[in-house]
Amino acid sequence: GENVEQHPSTLSVQEGDSAVIKCTYSDSASNYFPWYKQELGKRPQLIIDIRSNVGEKKDQRIAVTLNKTAKHFSLHITETQPEDSAVYFCAATENTGTASKLTFGTGTRLQVTL
Amino acid sequence: NAGVTQTPKFQVLKTGQSMTLQCAQDMNHNSMYWYRQDPGMGLRLIYYSASEGTTDKGEVPNGYNVSRLNKREFSLRLESAAPSQTSVYFCASSGQGFNNQPQHFGDGTRLSIL
Repeated sequence: GENVEQHPSTLSVQEGDSAVIKCTYSDSASNYFPWYKQELGKRPQLIIDIRSNVGEKKDQRIAVTLNKTAKHFSLHITETQPEDSAVYFCAATENTGTASKLTFGTGTRLQVTL
Repeated sequence: NAGVTQTPKFQVLKTGQSMTLQCAQDMNHNSMYWYRQDPGMGLRLIYYSASEGTTDKGEVPNGYNVSRLNKREFSLRLESAAPSQTSVYFCASSGQGFNNQPQHFGDGTRLSIL
């Protein structure tokens, strides 16, 4: 089955700096890579996703890059703000044609300090 | 539009007791999922249902059963609760298709087993 590794487990940055979270996956058949943000006591919420036919995707201050050859993908947050503080999860999935089974990384706790 | 609704939000059980966690979605999604979230381990898939009438095991199915009651509802049952099943349980749903669709999560059920 799929295995997703995520680094670092904790990340502290100053407000305005950039943050980068990296993930690797094992199954070359995986073709969809979402990123979720989870605030304390809340549900995971999708912030951005990328499909295997695209190398980079950007949404305002958030971007994701994908290297299929190396089987890794990264989340980039620029101009960080205190409200970016949360736990971020990467995930990978193979579409079986019927349902998408997500395998999650173990999460990165991002703290943005003033 | 409520999205994904889970009940109850909190529950305390004694070892050996049984209970059913309920999940309903109003987005007309075909696929539904149950995850558990433990500290430091991300979200792990317990069971999923690609469409009404089908269920399949995920990564950690032991000790659980599921029922896809109809297109809207997907329940998770603990027949004989064990302390190791203390966790936060999340239900999610997604549209179906060969093009991966994002998963939308409910608010979670916090379950403690004494």
